Amino acid sequence: GAGVSQSPSNKVTEKGKDVELRCDPISGHTALYWYRQSLGQGLEFLIYFQGNSAPDKSGLPSDRFSAERTGGSVSTLTIQRTQQEDSAVYLCASSPLAGETQYFGPGTRLLVL
Amino acid sequence: GDSVTQMEGPVTLSEEAFLTINCTYTATGYPSLFWYVQYPGEGLQLLLKATKADDKGSNKGFEATYRKETTSFHLEKGSVQVSDSAVYFCALRDNDYKLSFGAGTTVTVRA
Repeated sequence: GAGVSQSPSNKVTEKGKDVELRCDPISGHTALYWYRQSLGQGLEFLIYFQGNSAPDKSGLPSDRFSAERTGGSVSTLTIQRTQQEDSAVYLCASSPLAGETQYFGPGTRLLVL
Repeated sequence: GDSVTQMEGPVTLSEEAFLTINCTYTATGYPSLFWYVQYPGEGLQLLLKATKADDKGSNKGFEATYRKETTSFHLEKGSVQVSDSAVYFCALRDNDYKLSFGAGTTVTVRA
């Protein structure tokens, strides 16, 4: 079946602009996660959604970062007033339920100039 | 907090060589342990996992055994191929749902 999809695959933006990254989880998966993969920090957790519960935002690095998940499916990660240190690959993953194996999308490579 | 330490790379091997990538962890609970692999130009894929002590995960000729006494989950393959060239990540999931990853080890296999 279809895996996790993310768009765009690459995004180049200027410092100070806002960007939106999209994730389509595997159909039927109730849990959705965002991670960031950067040269300096490795792979780090950002945010987690489970069904209709309040998301765990504990990994978001600043208040410029926000995410939403509409209808329990598609999720959008928004970065406002981008900075050069936001340059990274943003990975989305989903799992059938929380605590089960996470399946990753191909990622969005963000470059902030 | 939870953390994963894995062998630094890069690692360069010849085909049919034996591969070991060391991974140790620190966790407050009883974590599940994972190896993920990232092939060039592709996303993270689950390679294998183990959910409790002494479990052995295996896939595609790779194996790793969950060693609670040494808090380790070393990845091994007896005979690597060029197609095994990738970045390998050790990860743990503790009592919640977040994955904590090691820094990744780049493996290059030469023909």
